[in-house]
Amino acid sequence: EPEVTQTPSHQVTQMGQEVILRCVPISNHLYFYWYRQILGQKVEFLVSFYNNEISEKSEIFDDQFSVERPDGSNFTLKIRSTKLEDSAMYFCASSEGGLGTQYFGPGTRLLVL
Amino acid sequence: ILNVEQSPQSLHVQEGDSTNFTCSFPSSNFYALHWYRWETAKSPEALFVMTLNGDEKKKGRISATLNTKEGYSYLYIKGSQPEDSATYLCAFGTSYDKVIFGPGTSLSVIP
Repeated sequence: EPEVTQTPSHQVTQMGQEVILRCVPISNHLYFYWYRQILGQKVEFLVSFYNNEISEKSEIFDDQFSVERPDGSNFTLKIRSTKLEDSAMYFCASSEGGLGTQYFGPGTRLLVL
Repeated sequence: ILNVEQSPQSLHVQEGDSTNFTCSFPSSNFYALHWYRWETAKSPEALFVMTLNGDEKKKGRISATLNTKEGYSYLYIKGSQPEDSATYLCAFGTSYDKVIFGPGTSLSVIP
């Protein structure tokens, strides 16, 4: 069964460093999403991406964040200068249509020291 | 600020009991309501997506209903089993492709 994959599974970085989190969505899906969950808190929407551009973003998704689909398969989330409060589990998801079932990847646990 | 609430926060039931929990969401700007099941150390797994008032969906022992006019959805589990133990998340679609998650209901089924 097709699934969303994410790499790396864990990432430790120093404050101020740039990180790139990678996702491979399900191949025939058209909508891509990033979410995060800070430990003990709710899952939070960051951004949705469709037709090679950002469709929606939350107030969390400020200028430090960017997303890209550099080729036909990968979908990346870049955090330009990480802060301690960026430590969280980051989930990628994809769906066939905008209101469709979203399939989540296993997540990347990011720890900023 | 749009808020999605779920109740109860946590629930412990005996194996074989039926149970239900609630998701409350704003009754305006409704696009869709998603239910997910999230087991520890795994990623959220989609259960249902509902878009129409009065929708009812069923998957095995789990079913869900939707009332968009009053802003709530119920998730029912019939004859709970230990493998149903998980956190159940609802997510309110505020546009075609943006959702706001509730805090989840943590279910423990005691054998």
